[in-house]
Amino acid sequence: AQKITQTQPGMFVQEKEAVTLDCTYDTSDQSYGLFWYKQPSSGEMIFLIYQGSYDEQNATEGRYSLNFQKARKSANLVISASQLGDSAMYFCAMGAQAGTALIFGKGTTLSVSS
Amino acid sequence: DTGVSQDPRHKITKRGQNVTFRCDPISEHNRLYWYRQTLGQGPEFLTYFQNEAQLEKSRLLSDRFSAERPKGSFSTLEIQRTEQGDSAMYLCASSLAGASFSNQPQHFGDGTRLSIL
Repeated sequence: AQKITQTQPGMFVQEKEAVTLDCTYDTSDQSYGLFWYKQPSSGEMIFLIYQGSYDEQNATEGRYSLNFQKARKSANLVISASQLGDSAMYFCAMGAQAGTALIFGKGTTLSVSS
Repeated sequence: DTGVSQDPRHKITKRGQNVTFRCDPISEHNRLYWYRQTLGQGPEFLTYFQNEAQLEKSRLLSDRFSAERPKGSFSTLEIQRTEQGDSAMYLCASSLAGASFSNQPQHFGDGTRLSIL
């Protein structure tokens, strides 16, 4: 069975600093996708970044990058130059095949202070 | 490009009543998903459709829950005889079906928050 583990309930960072949010996963599939979503207090889930299991390079999207270590089954999200608007809940998720259900972790609350 | 739209945003009802939620996906997306999220947890998958066909249902989807997507566009999720434990955020997402994940992430709506009195 697939599983996503996010061990950091909360993280605190100052503006302009970088922060890493941890995510480990468990699957017996060879092909899978890893995703990060942001959920502000307003509730909407915002797609941030995706990494495929066969992608050799780490994904990057603006200030977001995904530190993918396949052997360790980890897919950590790195946010560079944190902004106050980054304060939100962040979820790591995994899908076995394109278009099927996503399995989510419990999330990490990120608080950015000035 | 309008996003995924869900209605209503909030629903308060008494235990035992039936409720129905609606989701309008991104227009070109042929896959539609329902998730449930309780406080302090990540979303949990309920069911998904490709066009009008319901392809998968989670064990979480008890007999009191039913979802439809009659014309392959909008979807409805109905909960009959609501219980206290049904209080949650119900999220809808949509995506394009395809061979790879890379350009087909699931895009979520703002959710419907259900409160059972």
